[in-house]
Order: sequence, then structure tokens, then C-alpha cells
Amino acid sequence: GQNIDQPTEMTATEGAIVQINCTYQTSGFNGLFWYQQHAGEAPTFLSYNVLDGLEEKGRFSSFLSRSKGYSYLLLKELQMKDSASYLCAVRGLYNQGGKLIFGQGTELSVKP
Amino acid sequence: DAMVIQNPRYQVTQFGKPVTLSCSQTLNHNVMYWYQQKSSQAPKLLFHYYDKDFNNEADTPDNFQSRRPNTSFCFLDIRSPGLGDAAMYLCATSRDFLPRETQYFGPGTRLLVL
Repeated sequence: GQNIDQPTEMTATEGAIVQINCTYQTSGFNGLFWYQQHAGEAPTFLSYNVLDGLEEKGRFSSFLSRSKGYSYLLLKELQMKDSASYLCAVRGLYNQGGKLIFGQGTELSVKP
Repeated sequence: DAMVIQNPRYQVTQFGKPVTLSCSQTLNHNVMYWYQQKSSQAPKLLFHYYDKDFNNEADTPDNFQSRRPNTSFCFLDIRSPGLGDAAMYLCATSRDFLPRETQYFGPGTRLLVL
């Protein structure tokens, strides 16, 4: 089966660091994406990991461990505008149409 | 410089009345996807096109159909909407199925069924 788990909600303080975890069990794996989705808007791409390790992009970093089926998104120097839902998505194999299987998202609230 | 455009942003229809949602893209991508996203849930893939090749997800209801008349446009037809079909419908594109290819999403159409 396909299963992607993320915490439903998190709260953090402006200027702080927050880590959003994602665990997955899927029948095929061709990389893991993180998307940000503000309420009522489309998901926007944040990061992609296909090899183990950390990918850093400005205030956002993403980590992958394929053997553990685990990823996290790290957000530093939190800003109020970072309040959004963060979606973890696993990419299926080429013969699966390269489809994305999404977790239900983690709703992050950043407070002053 | 919008890349994936969805119209309308909000659509109200009546129970059982056919409705069509549209998506267009300026990226010239080969692949177009339709997702359904209900409140506080993950986007769920309904189907995708690679060029003109259509692929339906196994659990997509027969009530949902799609058309892709050309590279730029893709339509989602709901033949007889039920109350349970009220959701946000997201269109996405990608250049290919290759692992690193990002999917770019449109702003979505929120469907309300009365």
C-alpha cells in the first residue's frame, strides 16, 4: 500500500526554527517533494530530494533517508508569511506516470 | 506571466448538473494532471495525460472524465456532480515523468454543489 504520514498541525514562533517530519511507505520511489500551500491557493514547489542527505535552499532545508522512509523540512528564521500547509509528496515510478502521492499536509501556524 | 491557468476560480453547480472545469498552460509541458483536494486532505490524483495518452487512476469514479484537445488545454468534466464532489480541483503540469521534474500547479477551481 501507499502511506505518507505527517503531523496534522504545528505551531512555532516568529524567528524560530521548525522541523516538519514525513514518513512514507510506497510501492515505488523516485524522489520526495515538499510543497507549500497557502489557504485557498495552489501548492508551490519548495524542494526535491532523491538521494540521502540534506538539501539547503535559503531558509528552507530538506533531508531524506531512503532506508528509513523518512524526510523532514526545516524552516529557519520563521516569518509570519510561512504560516501555511506543508505537503510531503513521493514521486512514483516512471511506469506509474511519475505521479505524486501526497501526505495530508502539516498546517503550520507562526505566531509573533 | 501565469504558467498554469484555471478557470473559473469558483464554480457553483447543482446536484446532477454537468460541469466542466478548464486548465491551460503556457509551459508547453507534455504532462497534465488533475487532482481533487477536499478540505484538510491531501490532493488526490484523478488522471493524467502524457501528450494525448490518457491514464485514469483505478479509483477515479466514472463520473469524472477528461479531454485534452491540444497541448495547452485540458478539461475536467463531471457528468453528474454529487454533494461529495465538492472540492478544490487542481490542475498541474510537468515536462516529463523524469524523477526531478517538478509539477507546477494552477490556482485551482473550488467547486460547490448545491
